Amino acid sequence: TQLLEQSPQFLSIQEGENLTVYCNSSSVFSSLQWYRQEPGEGPVLLVTVVTGGEVKKLKRLTFQFGDARKDSSLHITAAQPGDTGLYLCAGARETSGSRLTFGEGTQLTVNP
Amino acid sequence: DTGVSQDPRHKITKRGQNVTFRCDPISEHNRLYWYRQTLGQGPEFLTYFQNEAQLEKSRLLSDRFSAERPKGSFSTLEIQRTEQGDSAMYLCASSPRDSYGYTFGSGTRLTVV
Repeated sequence: TQLLEQSPQFLSIQEGENLTVYCNSSSVFSSLQWYRQEPGEGPVLLVTVVTGGEVKKLKRLTFQFGDARKDSSLHITAAQPGDTGLYLCAGARETSGSRLTFGEGTQLTVNP
Repeated sequence: DTGVSQDPRHKITKRGQNVTFRCDPISEHNRLYWYRQTLGQGPEFLTYFQNEAQLEKSRLLSDRFSAERPKGSFSTLEIQRTEQGDSAMYLCASSPRDSYGYTFGSGTRLTVV
């Protein structure tokens, strides 16, 4: 059973469009992180959210943690080709120590 | 210290052979993690060290897998009698003690033929 479900799995859009990626679970997480991964490289941490209802902004990226700490979303405004990559959400559960559970990822392609 | 280093970047081996991967974490980070990632999937947890102590192992880590971090610095992951199903990207990450965020290395891509 996948603890973290991401949707959509694939997303292909034109430059300048907006998009939202969702990360959902039936489990409560003590923190949730978003990573971006390029082919042949390791994931790179974008943001960590720890408080239910928290919203963080990183330039054109907006991250939200659900009030119940079971879900999160990533919204990108005016996407650019450089945003292309695999976006992964990952949650830490209080009962699992430092272990992260990753979603399957959303492959984003932004076409010029 | 520019980040987490993994060696080798790529490894092709024949089925049944043993392989060993190395990870050098960020020097100030006392936590070190190994994850495995297959194509189209997110990384899956394998094991975790705090300093030299191996504190957690996934059931994915069969008896053919062993990880060490002898002096609390670099770590090695050995796979004995490799199988085709072991083909994957093996990722190492490190973090400071009181941080949620990981810094990942670039990974070792293993292909078992």
